[in-house]
Amino acid sequence: DQQVKQNSPSLSVQEGRISILNCDYTNSMFDYFLWYKKYPAEGPTFLISISSIKDKNEDGRFTVFLNKSAKHLSLHIVPSQPGDSAVYFCAASVSGGYQKVTFGTGTKLQVIP
Amino acid sequence: NAGVTQTPKFQVLKTGQSMTLQCAQDMNHEYMSWYRQDPGMGLRLIHYSVGAGITDQGEVPNGYNVSRSTTEDFPLRLLSAAPSQTSVYFCASSLRGWDTDTQYFGPGTRLTVL
Repeated sequence: DQQVKQNSPSLSVQEGRISILNCDYTNSMFDYFLWYKKYPAEGPTFLISISSIKDKNEDGRFTVFLNKSAKHLSLHIVPSQPGDSAVYFCAASVSGGYQKVTFGTGTKLQVIP
Repeated sequence: NAGVTQTPKFQVLKTGQSMTLQCAQDMNHEYMSWYRQDPGMGLRLIHYSVGAGITDQGEVPNGYNVSRSTTEDFPLRLLSAAPSQTSVYFCASSLRGWDTDTQYFGPGTRLTVL
């Protein structure tokens, strides 16, 4: 039972345009959400997070939006750069305990120069 | 700081063999964890530790043992490897294991069990 779903395995975007990566979750107990970026042969790297008390969090070119009623979050990258080409994992956890993070299956983003 | 280091990078085992995947961090983090990543699936938590001497099971603990004798090291043991354990294994650490703590991941160990 995949509690965190990324339905798009891959996405191609032109350099300079917006990249939108989507994520859905089924467990209503999740209240802390994260995005990780992963390059080949490396471990995931934390990118940005959002608590369920917010609906938006921004960090430079990266913005995460949370729609709790739809159990949906998205990551926007503006403008997209070739160095953003990587696999992006959405992840979620239930706050108040230790980090027991549930990851999505990942979306491979290719930014075309 | 080296961050989180894992050895070996690659390993091939035969069914029934045992081995230990090593993980070390030099950031004085209390919380460490092991994940496995399989094709078409996200990273899944195997075991975690909230400090030296304290470990607990994650989502997929069967077939794996862990111990935490020091703050720095968190080895993962496969006592009798099975083909189903073919995967990429990632170790991670964070300061206290709170949700708002950043998790730092190692580069991974690619394990193949024949």
